[in-house]
Amino acid sequence: NAGVTQTPKFQVLKTGQSMTLQCAQDMNHNSMYWYRQDPGMGLRLIYYSASEGTTDKGEVPNGYNVSRLNKREFSLRLESAAPSQTSVYFCASVQGSDSGNTIYFGEGSWLTVV
Amino acid sequence: RKEVEQDPGPFNVPEGATVAFNCTYSNSASQSFFWYRQDCRKEPKLLMSVYSSGNEDGRFTAQLNRASQYISLLIRDSKLSDSATYLCPSNSGGYQKVTFGTGTKLQVIP
Repeated sequence: NAGVTQTPKFQVLKTGQSMTLQCAQDMNHNSMYWYRQDPGMGLRLIYYSASEGTTDKGEVPNGYNVSRLNKREFSLRLESAAPSQTSVYFCASVQGSDSGNTIYFGEGSWLTVV
Repeated sequence: RKEVEQDPGPFNVPEGATVAFNCTYSNSASQSFFWYRQDCRKEPKLLMSVYSSGNEDGRFTAQLNRASQYISLLIRDSKLSDSATYLCPSNSGGYQKVTFGTGTKLQVIP
């Protein structure tokens, strides 16, 4: 059971470059999330998708866009990367019901913008 | 203001000690409560759920104080392997928007 899979695991970008972080879950979960984690800042919510076809801004959405491609996949795009976006990015998913509300995370994507 | 507040620590405790920390919620709409554990450079994973009546899992005890809007985690007989960051999510709107506190870092010292 793969759970939540995110790619790439490591990426170095130059300022101004664009890239997309991919995330897929195989648990038929309704809700999916993108977080970034910086030292001493905890997990900060970038965007979330409560269900297929919907996306909403989280705490720190500026500089990012997302696509909920289908129920399985939720991608995060950096259109013009900035050094301030150097971080570890985690994708997560949850069923969001009484029968299943454990949040499952991917292994993280380490992004460096130079 | 974040929906969930935590003391970031670090809490440095000797092996065998008892340690406790809290998560305080500003959003009373949260209906279910959990503790997650995150090891260095790893993803967070569920440690335990927090039930209204309180619950234990081995050396770990979780409690909910709904009136004061906080949950607590008590770790007895601390082990080196307990060293990690402990996080709690706030799920306003029923698992639509899920945010986290800063996490509390625990370092158990030999």
